[in-house]
Amino acid sequence: DQQVKQNSPSLSVQEGRISILNCDYTNSMFDYFLWYKKYPAEGPTFLISISSIKDKNEDGRFTVFLNKSAKHLSLHIVPSQPGDSAVYFCAAPRGTGANNLFFGTGTRLTVIP
Amino acid sequence: ETGVTQTPRHLVMGMTNKKSLKCEQHLGHNAMYWYKQSAKKPLELMFVYNFKEQTENNSVPSRFSPECPNSSHLFLHLHTLQPEDSALYLCASSQNKGRGETQYFGPGTRLLVL
Repeated sequence: DQQVKQNSPSLSVQEGRISILNCDYTNSMFDYFLWYKKYPAEGPTFLISISSIKDKNEDGRFTVFLNKSAKHLSLHIVPSQPGDSAVYFCAAPRGTGANNLFFGTGTRLTVIP
Repeated sequence: ETGVTQTPRHLVMGMTNKKSLKCEQHLGHNAMYWYKQSAKKPLELMFVYNFKEQTENNSVPSRFSPECPNSSHLFLHLHTLQPEDSALYLCASSQNKGRGETQYFGPGTRLLVL
């Protein structure tokens, strides 16, 4: 049973516009979420995180929004750049005492110049 | 070299072969992880090691055998694999096993079992 879901396998956006990547989760006990970014032939790299005590966390062009009532989070990238083209994974820690992560299946973002 | 490295990057093996995947981290981390990513599936945690001790085995079949001789090295020994074991195998490390610690991933080994 997938507890972290990314229902859009791909997204294409024009350079300069906003990219919005979505993630849904089923476990209301999740209280911390992460986004990872993966380029081809490389491992995922950590991008940004959010704790459930917040509803927004911003880092430069990247902002993550959390809607706990809807069990939904989203990653906004603005303005989008061609170098942002990658696969984006959302993840949540499995338990209270460990760093083992549930990952979504990823969304492939293509930013068109 | 810095970061997390994995060798080989690509591996093709028969079902009767024995092979090993190697992961090395140069970050001074204490926790290391093996993940498996099959096509169109999310990354699945396989094993977790903390200070060389295995702390989690996520119901992985015994044909996968991990080894962690020290905090910098992690191996995944493979024997009598099945074609459905073909996947991308990713290694990661984090400073400690604590919740919320950022995991740093290697580039992965793409495995094909014939």
